Order: sequence, then C-alpha cells, then structure tokens
Amino acid sequence: EAGVAQSPRYKIIEKRQSVAFWCNPISGHATLYWYQQILGQGPKLLIQFQNNGVVDDSQLPKDRFSAERLKGVDSTLKIQPAKLEDSAVYLCASVNTQYFGPGTRLTVL
Amino acid sequence: EDQVTQSPEALRLQEGESSSLNCSYTVSGLRGLFWYRQDPGKGPEFLFTLYSAGEEKEKERLKATLTKKESFLHITAPKPEDSATYLCAGTGQNFVFGPGTRLSVLP
Repeated sequence: EAGVAQSPRYKIIEKRQSVAFWCNPISGHATLYWYQQILGQGPKLLIQFQNNGVVDDSQLPKDRFSAERLKGVDSTLKIQPAKLEDSAVYLCASVNTQYFGPGTRLTVL
Repeated sequence: EDQVTQSPEALRLQEGESSSLNCSYTVSGLRGLFWYRQDPGKGPEFLFTLYSAGEEKEKERLKATLTKKESFLHITAPKPEDSATYLCAGTGQNFVFGPGTRLSVLP
C-alpha cells in the first residue's frame, strides 16, 4: 500500500513570499489533515478535510494560510505572505491521523 | 482548552534498561489516546490507539497503558534502534499532540 506523498520535501523562501505544498493521501482515504510542526514541538492541527469539505479549520491563520482539496483527493496548502514564524515542517495525514507523509520543511528567511 | 503534556522531555537509557514515558492529558470527551514514534526528518509513525481506562496494547518491546488522566509507554529492554521521539495525542473535538519525549538508547 502506497503511503501519503508530499512535495516538495524542502523549501526555502524569503519573508513576504508565497509558497504552496502538495499532499496526495492514500487512495480511498476520505479524511485528510494538515499539521504544522515547529522544531521541538508536537504537530499542531491546521485544517481537517472530509472529502472536499472542511471539518475543522479553527487553528488555521486564515489571513495568510489557505487550503483546498479538489475532488476529494489531492490537497494543497498555501501561505501568502510568509512570515519568519512560519518556519516549520508541514505534515499531511490521513485516516484518523494514523498515516503521515514525510512532511515539507519550510525555512523562511 | 484541551491539553496534552509529556515527561520527561528527554531520556537517555543504556541498552536493556527498561523505563516508562508519561503522557498526561486533559481532553474533553476523550475519544482516543494515540502514541507515535517520530524519527528525525520523517513524519510520525503510528504505534497504538487506546480508547478506555485500563486498556493496554503491546508491540514488540513497547506497551501502552491508559488511565483516566494519563497514559504510559513502557519500553522493555530497549535497543539502540528504539531511539526516536515518542509523541502522544488525545482526540476529543480534534487531535491535540504533546511535545514529545526524545529517547536515546545507548549501546
């Protein structure tokens, strides 16, 4: 069984630039999560999708972060504009958070 | 507000030296307590889910237990390959992760 795929694995940008991350969950998994993990901390939930719909985005900083999940499969998470404090690993997960992707490490300079 | 804490922050063991990691939680309407292992540069790897106080689950050298306020991850006769960060998470309305315990097992 293929795992959760994420790209890119690493990204370095200047503050105020925009960035997008992509996630492809395990085939058939309806629930998809995006987490932010700052170095030395546990993951923090940003947004949860059930198929195309948003279940919980209460911790998503909506002034700069956006996410979508077209056709209930792949998902993208965007940050525009990025701030220094957005430097973190962005993790995608599916099926009740039992399966995580490898994450995208974002560095904002 | 739901909260999950873990102790110790870091733990160094000699190979074969058994110990326990603690996860304390205050999660309203807890629906499950999860344990994960995370290696550097990788996403968390699911280990166990516990649903009710008194429940126990085992996998190789790991055993997880749950009470009404905390969970323990017992590591019996650890090996160097058990070195990792161990995360716990409680789920009520949504997932709340603890900060993790960094475990180092020395040969």
